Amino acid sequence: DQQVKQNSPSLSVQEGRISILNCDYTNSMFDYFLWYKKYPAEGPTFLISISSIKDKNEDGRFTVFLNKSAKHLSLHIVPSQPGDSAVYFCAASAPFSGGGADGLTFGKGTHLIIQP
Amino acid sequence: EPEVTQTPSHQVTQMGQEVILRCVPISNHLYFYWYRQILGQKVEFLVSFYNNEISEKSEIFDDQFSVERPDGSNFTLKIRSTKLEDSAMYFCASSARGGGDTQYFGPGTRLTVL
Repeated sequence: DQQVKQNSPSLSVQEGRISILNCDYTNSMFDYFLWYKKYPAEGPTFLISISSIKDKNEDGRFTVFLNKSAKHLSLHIVPSQPGDSAVYFCAASAPFSGGGADGLTFGKGTHLIIQP
Repeated sequence: EPEVTQTPSHQVTQMGQEVILRCVPISNHLYFYWYRQILGQKVEFLVSFYNNEISEKSEIFDDQFSVERPDGSNFTLKIRSTKLEDSAMYFCASSARGGGDTQYFGPGTRLTVL
């Protein structure tokens, strides 16, 4: 059961253009969403997050948009740079009734390739 | 910048052996997590830990697995009797708060079970 879906396994974008990575989710209890970037043989690196009470969060070249009614979020990177080439994971968490630590549910990732 | 560290970076073991994977979370964080990523698959949540006890665990985290915070800095994952299918990257993460707080990941330990 894929609660978080990233339907594009890979995406190729020209340097300087906008990269748009998409993510869909099915669990309406998710209230916090994160994007991570991952290089081979390294751990996921946090990029940007958004709470379900917002529809947009921006940090430098990275902007995340959340459409709750469509259960869809997207990560925009502009302008794209060669160092952005990596696998990008969408992750989500739902409130844990015990008030403790919530595990993240990850998508399968999208491999972003920035072409010079 | 504070970071999560993990040791060893690569562990090779025989099937049936016990392994302990070690993590040092970010020092002022209170919530700790283990995840794994089998080659070619997505990152999967195993367990979370807060206030010296398990907070949440997935169906993957069966009786073969245990976690411990033996002192004020380390957080460990023990697999009692490893199986071939335990071969994966294991990531430790920590966060300052629970709920919807950002989790910061370590570089991972690659576990190979032969």
